[in-house]
Amino acid sequence: GAVVSQHPSWVICKSGTSVKIECRSLDFQATTMFWYRQFPKQSLMLMATSNEGSKATYEQGVEKDKFLINHASLTLSTLTVTSAHPEDSSFYICSGGRARNIQYFGAGTRLSVL
Amino acid sequence: SQQGEEDPQALSIQEGENATMNCSYKTSINNLQWYRQNSGRGLVHLILIRSNEREKHSGRLRVTLDTSKKSSSLLITASRAADTASYFCATGDSSYKLIFGSGTRLLVRP
Repeated sequence: GAVVSQHPSWVICKSGTSVKIECRSLDFQATTMFWYRQFPKQSLMLMATSNEGSKATYEQGVEKDKFLINHASLTLSTLTVTSAHPEDSSFYICSGGRARNIQYFGAGTRLSVL
Repeated sequence: SQQGEEDPQALSIQEGENATMNCSYKTSINNLQWYRQNSGRGLVHLILIRSNEREKHSGRLRVTLDTSKKSSSLLITASRAADTASYFCATGDSSYKLIFGSGTRLLVRP
């Protein structure tokens, strides 16, 4: 099956620092990758769509300068939370799109900003 | 933004019973998918049903789709404790983009 690896699984950082989260498709090429944010006991909110070699498309209300997305290759997309603040603490999940409209998800990254 | 609502928000059943979750959505769709999420983990794809299909089965899972009512249901038969998780419906267009519902938290008591 298709595997998406997300790293790190958990990160704690100080307010004002930047944090990078990596999302890799291990056994397939993901032309499109997605980044979601999830609050406790809530649904996934799509933040942005990342296409290899082009700029990410951000959903309404998501600050593109705050959440930098880079999709440098068909197997790697990164999300950098810049100048993180406590309100950025959340669970971030990536996914890669493969055939038949199905997305394959990473295990998620829990970000805690102190 | 979320596409729609799922109900119930939470469901607690005894092992061996059936679990039914419902999903409603707002716009036209190409397909509707159901995903499962164990606590603090990523999502696992369960089943996809296309807009021209009305019912689909996969093992103990049965999904129905009523495009006239913009609703879908997921039935898990003969539930097991290991089925305890959150279940999300997600609507898809012709691209890979998915919009997720609010989710149902299922607890299967041994």
